[in-house]
Amino acid sequence: AQKITQTQPGMFVQEKEAVTLDCTYDTSDQSYGLFWYKQPSSGEMIFLIYQGSYDEQNATEGRYSLNFQKARKSANLVISASQLGDSAMYFCAMREGVNTGFQKLVFGTGTRLLVSP
Amino acid sequence: DAGVTQSPTHLIKTRGQQVTLRCSPKSGHDTVSWYQQALGQGPQFIFQYYEEEERQRGNFPDRFSGHQFPNYSSELNVNALLLGDSALYLCASSQGTHAGVSYEQYFGPGTRLTVT
Repeated sequence: AQKITQTQPGMFVQEKEAVTLDCTYDTSDQSYGLFWYKQPSSGEMIFLIYQGSYDEQNATEGRYSLNFQKARKSANLVISASQLGDSAMYFCAMREGVNTGFQKLVFGTGTRLLVSP
Repeated sequence: DAGVTQSPTHLIKTRGQQVTLRCSPKSGHDTVSWYQQALGQGPQFIFQYYEEEERQRGNFPDRFSGHQFPNYSSELNVNALLLGDSALYLCASSQGTHAGVSYEQYFGPGTRLTVT
């Protein structure tokens, strides 16, 4: 069964610094997708970045980049130049069985990021 | 362009009662998924609807049921509520369920259900 592990319950970073949020995954499938979502206190899950298992290059979206190491089964999120508005919960998620057409996401337990001035 | 909307925002129910939560997908999306997020946890997949049928289901009892309407909106019904059903219920929509493609799922703001 697929599983997402986020070992950092909380992370602190100063404004304008970079931070890495860890994510490891476990799956027996060859075709899968990895997502990162941000959840502010309002509750809405905001999509940040996506990496497909067959993508050779690491995904980037503005200040967000995904450090994908397939052999180590890790998909860490790197936020460059942190801003106060980045303070939120961050969830790593995986979609297994891309070839099935199903869209179920499996989430980790999340990391709470606090950005200080 | 309206995103995913959910109603109601908050709901308080008594143990044993039944509840219906509603979701309207983002414009152009035809697939709706429901997730339950307990306090301090990541969301857990309940089920997914496409073409008015339940296509995939997570590890939830039959007390959890759903429906998708021709306009792609969806309802989540929970019968015989338990205290443990208290959670944030998130609806997510996406463009389809075609094999070989990962579609970004857009989430709504959620419905916070409290069972007393």
